[in-house]
Amino acid sequence: QLLEQSPQFLSIQEGENLTVYCNSSSVFSSLQWYRQEPGEGPVLLIALYKAGELTSNGRLTAQFGITRKDSFLNISASIPSDVGIYFCAGQRTGGFKTIFGAGTRLFVKA
Amino acid sequence: DGGITQSPKYLFRKEGQNVTLSCEQNLNHDAMYWYRQDPGQGLRLIYYSQIVNDFQKGDIAEGYSVSREKKESFPLTVTSAQKNPTAFYLCASTRGGSSGNTIYFGEGSWLTVV
Repeated sequence: QLLEQSPQFLSIQEGENLTVYCNSSSVFSSLQWYRQEPGEGPVLLIALYKAGELTSNGRLTAQFGITRKDSFLNISASIPSDVGIYFCAGQRTGGFKTIFGAGTRLFVKA
Repeated sequence: DGGITQSPKYLFRKEGQNVTLSCEQNLNHDAMYWYRQDPGQGLRLIYYSQIVNDFQKGDIAEGYSVSREKKESFPLTVTSAQKNPTAFYLCASTRGGSSGNTIYFGEGSWLTVV
């Protein structure tokens, strides 16, 4: 797997914070985080383009590593509707195709 | 609004039949993709196209075919040669061939063999 994503599964209580990680031995020119609900296509949450970039979107915060080989996505104050599969994805420097992590399946208990 | 439209949402295929999934985008994107997703699994690339009249095999192209006669359209045919076609199919697009382009997805199509 060119993009190692962890954890694979995450079950938390409503209101808790969580972090998902994405790591690679390759350098990426950009990296994105997506959320997929059952039976739907993945939806873009955050896109990262610069080394060290830290970006927020509401309760979501993501950062692109200084080496461009890793990233994390943090969700604060989780709610039941946050459930789904979270994917990291990116394009390697000089590459064309988008590479996806295996996904993190999130369950939020009310 | 701009986006990617896939149809049909649900499709049933009898064994031995070919079926075609439609994908249309009005984002003016150059590149288009087809992915397959099995239940509880990640995304696997079937075919992709960087420009009109050109396409490349992805990681699991056997049993599938595509065409790219128009920039906006990238239909996927699941042939009878695909032995296990039941899956969720996602069409996607990016602005161009250079790296750093964010990928956008359609809402997906469910294919079931009956």
